[in-house]
Amino acid sequence: DTGVSQDPRHKITKRGQNVTFRCDPISEHNRLYWYRQTLGQGPEFLTYFQNEAQLEKSRLLSDRFSAERPKGSFSTLEIQRTEQGDSAMYLCASSGETVYGYTFGSGTRLTVV
Amino acid sequence: AQSVTQLGSHVSVSEGALVLLRCNYSSSVPPYLFWYVQYPNQGLQLLLKYTTGATLVKGINGFEAEFKKSETSFHLTKPSAHMSDAAEYFCAVSGSGNQFYFGTGTSLTVIP
Repeated sequence: DTGVSQDPRHKITKRGQNVTFRCDPISEHNRLYWYRQTLGQGPEFLTYFQNEAQLEKSRLLSDRFSAERPKGSFSTLEIQRTEQGDSAMYLCASSGETVYGYTFGSGTRLTVV
Repeated sequence: AQSVTQLGSHVSVSEGALVLLRCNYSSSVPPYLFWYVQYPNQGLQLLLKYTTGATLVKGINGFEAEFKKSETSFHLTKPSAHMSDAAEYFCAVSGSGNQFYFGTGTSLTVIP
């Protein structure tokens, strides 16, 4: 297993369009996290899953955002009706029950034009 | 609730000088603390972490950090800066669900 994979690496979309990102965690990890990093800022926690259950959502996750992890393996993050303020790096991470082995993916950079 | 404050959004040091990047945390549970480095257009790379045990933690590339509970601090140091250390550094604390809360980052510039 080569780590956490995110697809696509880059996405340019027009304002108002919907976009979906995918994250494939390390196979034995049961926890999966999504973060958003805007330019010049630290990553901000969005949501996390334990297996297929979404256990916490940040208030940053507006109703235009939805995340799923249907079979407890890969996860998708969808943004509907994108806005220019959604332009950011979206990072995925996975871990086991503890923080040991916590691993970040390389991220998906979204640009809304 | 967990949060991190990084004092100094920009730090400049001369090559060969001591690097000191400051991090203070707030946590309602015994904290797990982390330092990450990020180079331009790249992902996060773990430098070091404190979970339990020894409070002086050694990481990669000659960095180390000391957990001081009484000061709620986890400052990052390196005795001698190298040009390749120029990057953005993030301190983070983990929450009860292992979600991370990051500081706003410190940009390190190394002057030749």
